[in-house]
Amino acid sequence: DAKTTQPPSMDCAEGRAANLPCNHSTISGNEYVYWYRQIHSQGPQYIIHGLKNNETNEMASLIITEDRKSSTLILPHATLRDTAVYYCIVRVHSGAGSYQLTFGKGTKLSVIP
Amino acid sequence: KAGVTQTPRYLIKTRGQQVTLSCSPISGHRSVSWYQQTPGQGLQFLFEYFSETQRNKGNFPGRFSGRQFSNSRSEMNVSTLELGDSALYLCASSLVGLKGDTQYFGPGTRLTVL
Repeated sequence: DAKTTQPPSMDCAEGRAANLPCNHSTISGNEYVYWYRQIHSQGPQYIIHGLKNNETNEMASLIITEDRKSSTLILPHATLRDTAVYYCIVRVHSGAGSYQLTFGKGTKLSVIP
Repeated sequence: KAGVTQTPRYLIKTRGQQVTLSCSPISGHRSVSWYQQTPGQGLQFLFEYFSETQRNKGNFPGRFSGRQFSNSRSEMNVSTLELGDSALYLCASSLVGLKGDTQYFGPGTRLTVL
């Protein structure tokens, strides 16, 4: 799976959009971008994933650049409950066999009142 | 649909003891993976079970073992506990565990070894 690079920390004002970047310059054609978040001492929570088109669900939007070398997770109206570590993971979606998730250090997002 | 559940949520043991942690996957999910999270090493993969068989294993000593039952529930066991085994143990389930599946995590079991 391709390596990802994320800023170690970010702040966001409550009510504003939080834009979390992820660089995955070595991503290959069959690798998807996944986002999870982990609120302190809880299990990681799946947020969203995508291949090349922009994706949106009830939690967030995922914007993937045309060359697929980077992506941005957008939380449209951040609340204090969005304070968490956000992990960007790139992994293949096809082929035989099971897989394991490889988590990096992620981005610690602090939502400020 | 209920999420992944893990029991117990907190556990305190002493060195040399053994411990068993339990995980119930999301209904209909047949693959269960276990991860260990520590401040120093982050999240590390332990093993994955599907149809009562261990299909994938991470780089952990043999003191760490697991099993899966016919109803897809899984247990992991750590024998001869060491101080360094203090960690958050996470269980994740997915439909069949193949690369196209998404893993969903439970709340974790916080193990403290004294």
